[in-house]
Amino acid sequence: KAGVTQTPRYLIKTRGQQVTLSCSPISGHRSVSWYQQTPGQGLQFLFEYFSETQRNKGNFPGRFSGRQFSNSRSEMNVSTLELGDSALYLCASSVNLAGELFFGEGSRLTVL
Amino acid sequence: SQQGEEDPQALSIQEGENATMNCSYKTSINNLQWYRQNSGRGLVHLILIRSNEREKHSGRLRVTLDTSKKSSSLLITASRAADTASYFCATALIQGAQKLVFGQGTRLTINP
Repeated sequence: KAGVTQTPRYLIKTRGQQVTLSCSPISGHRSVSWYQQTPGQGLQFLFEYFSETQRNKGNFPGRFSGRQFSNSRSEMNVSTLELGDSALYLCASSVNLAGELFFGEGSRLTVL
Repeated sequence: SQQGEEDPQALSIQEGENATMNCSYKTSINNLQWYRQNSGRGLVHLILIRSNEREKHSGRLRVTLDTSKKSSSLLITASRAADTASYFCATALIQGAQKLVFGQGTRLTINP
């Protein structure tokens, strides 16, 4: 069974641009969550989706948004990029709403 | 802000020795999970312990949970060079939610 797939793996953007990151969960997994990892703040929760509904949202500005499609695939978008948005963005999926998370390898975003 | 604090921040031991990492948290939890991350890659789930459990084993891993002290420990026995990684504890505050609050992690180095 294929793991969680995140694309792109690496990307470079400039301040003010926007970016869309994609996540394909493990087949059969309906829950997808997103995390941001930076050296300073560590791992921080961004969003959680289940059956196309956002169930929880972390403490991030409105520039960060996401969605989940009917096939459970998810995207997150960051608009008006700032230097501080440079981070490893990790997507995780799970079968249901309780239990272990299966993480992808992440999308490493660099904002110049 | 981080829910958990991990101790030590870094640990370096010889191959074959045991490694113990500790995690403290601040609020009531539904469960506590431990994850491993190899440099710059995705997280791998190691073990989940529920709030009504006190100890759990998985292979060379032993996790304890003391809800009265709001603390947990991860013991890796007979360490191997491949165990070199960062280890994170994560707490699930709400039942039925995948919003995890991660600690800052312990960087474990196993010297051959």
